[in-house]
Amino acid sequence: DIQMTQSPSSLSASVGDRVTITCRASQSISRYVNWYQQKPGKAPELLMFAASSLQSGVPSRFSGDGSGTDFTLTISSLQPEDFVTYYCQQGYGTPYTFGQGTKLEI
Amino acid sequence: QLQLQESGPELVKSSETLSLTCTVSGGSISSASYYWAWLRQPPGKGLEWIGSIYYSGRTYDNPSLKSRVTMSVDTSENQFSLNLGSATAADTAVYYCAGSYSSGWNWFHPWGQGTLVTVSS
Repeated sequence: DIQMTQSPSSLSASVGDRVTITCRASQSISRYVNWYQQKPGKAPELLMFAASSLQSGVPSRFSGDGSGTDFTLTISSLQPEDFVTYYCQQGYGTPYTFGQGTKLEI
Repeated sequence: QLQLQESGPELVKSSETLSLTCTVSGGSISSASYYWAWLRQPPGKGLEWIGSIYYSGRTYDNPSLKSRVTMSVDTSENQFSLNLGSATAADTAVYYCAGSYSSGWNWFHPWGQGTLVTVSS
């Protein structure tokens, strides 16, 4: 299985800050990484696919980058609604696997 | 707009089969554009992909579940289903169904709201 190691597991920041979440794959997976945002008690929502493509309706302050084994999700200017949990997921091969999650805290 | 909704028992006895159904609205489950997926999230933990099924019945599942998974599609009802056999307390989780656009990138969107299933003796 492809392991996705996400860091940090939690991150304290302030409104307006720029933050970056990292995901590292256990093998090269080209750009087959997708990112999700999960609010408490809700289903995850797709933010980014194919490493850097923004899902329709997602604010442009979110951006993704990376290829091979190292990937990043950056939020350029944190808004109050962004302080939730984020997951990366590899779509390179089955079983599809997720990172452990990053919880953004004020 | 595609919408998914899970349904099924909230409580399952240990060693029995956990069965869930996902109803798709706003689109056809027979669409060649989508796979249909099951995922789960134990309370307070991360996400796990259980498996995916195509409208033709072709399935992909997670070997970690040791062949306990059976999935099916009912095109007449626009539904797909999950059976997870020999359930244990470790299977207690919020179960989600999701669409997976067959673009090759294998992302999951949209998701159902999720249903908490508790496995108890």
